Amino acid sequence: AQKITQTQPGMFVQEKEAVTLDCTYDTSDPSYGLFWYKQPSSGEMIFLIYQGSYDQQNATEGRYSLNFQKARKSANLVISASQLGDSAMYFCALRLKYNFNKFYFGSGTKLNVKP
Amino acid sequence: EAQVTQNPRYLITVTGKKLTVTCSQNMNHEYMSWYRQDPGLGLRQIYYSMNVEVTDKGDVPEGYKVSRKEKRNFPLILESPSPNQTSLYFCASSSSTDTQYFGPGTRLTVL
Repeated sequence: AQKITQTQPGMFVQEKEAVTLDCTYDTSDPSYGLFWYKQPSSGEMIFLIYQGSYDQQNATEGRYSLNFQKARKSANLVISASQLGDSAMYFCALRLKYNFNKFYFGSGTKLNVKP
Repeated sequence: EAQVTQNPRYLITVTGKKLTVTCSQNMNHEYMSWYRQDPGLGLRQIYYSMNVEVTDKGDVPEGYKVSRKEKRNFPLILESPSPNQTSLYFCASSSSTDTQYFGPGTRLTVL
């Protein structure tokens, strides 16, 4: 069975500091993709970053980077220089290449950025 | 502009009154899905579709129906809504090589 685990229900970070949101996954499929989404209080789901299981380098998108440790099955999101607008729910998701329809989501981490 | 639209955005209804939530995408995506979001549970997939006339159950399909008669549309049907279907619903679409694009969400309350 495929599974995504986010163990931090809530986190606080000081503005301008870096923060790491944890995500571990469980799959026996060798080919998969990992995604992070942001959900602000307004409710929409915003795609942040993607990592493929065969990608050699960790993905980066602006202030977001993904710390991908395949052997440990972890895909942590790192946000550098936090901003007040980063306060939101963050979801990690797993997609299997053999079944493009299936996205498995974690329960989310609520990040609060303090001024 | 590439987007996924859902209607209505908010809906309050009563138990047993059939309703449909529409979903439309303009990106010519093959794959479309419906999710429900409940506190502490993340997003759970209700149904998905791989193309026109091809649909399958996700993780929580009970009480829901879908259809995919056109590539761009993927409506979610609740034939007899119950209070435990009160939730935030998202439609999403994707190609095989891309992320999912989400609609704005439909907040449903069943009294």
